[in-house]
Amino acid sequence: KAGVTQTPRYLIKTRGQQVTLSCSPISGHRSVSWYQQTPGQGLQFLFEYFSETQRNKGNFPGRFSGRQFSNSRSEMNVSTLELGDSALYLCASSVDFGSTDTQYFGPGTRLTVL
Amino acid sequence: AQSVTQLGSHVSVSEGALVLLRCNYSSSVPPYLFWYVQYPNQGLQLLLKYTSAATLVKGINGFEAEFKKSETSFHLTKPSAHMSDAAEYFCAVSSPDYKLSFGAGTTVTVRA
Repeated sequence: KAGVTQTPRYLIKTRGQQVTLSCSPISGHRSVSWYQQTPGQGLQFLFEYFSETQRNKGNFPGRFSGRQFSNSRSEMNVSTLELGDSALYLCASSVDFGSTDTQYFGPGTRLTVL
Repeated sequence: AQSVTQLGSHVSVSEGALVLLRCNYSSSVPPYLFWYVQYPNQGLQLLLKYTSAATLVKGINGFEAEFKKSETSFHLTKPSAHMSDAAEYFCAVSSPDYKLSFGAGTTVTVRA
């Protein structure tokens, strides 16, 4: 079975621009989560989607948004980029993320904001 | 609210020595705990998880962890370190509101 795929793997943007990151979950997985990883803040939860519905959102400004499509693929968007948005963005999928379910992570998208 | 604390941001061990990574949790509900490993420029890979079936959990690559409720701990161990174990390790706890909360991570270096 193919793993979680994320595109693009690397991205360079300038302040003020917007960016869209894509995540394709493992086949059969309906839950997709997004995390931001930075050296200073570590791994922080952004949001979780299940069957096109956002079930939880982390403590991030409204510039961060996401969505999930009917085929479970997910995108996240960051508008009006700031330097502090430079990070590794990780996507994870699971069958249905309850407390005991395992989240499988993709390789991440490395976003650099100049 | 669920949270984890990893004690020690860096651990250095000799090849063949015991690896011990510490994780303490705080949870208002029965915790479900995970250990993940991250190699440079890669995503997170699951090492093992605790879901209350057994307190001693065996994972991949020779790692295991023991859940101790009295100590609110879930420490990760490997009896004999290998050079390939050099990576960053994260302890995490899941919560009923569909998210994982991670510790700050422990970077392991292995000396030849």
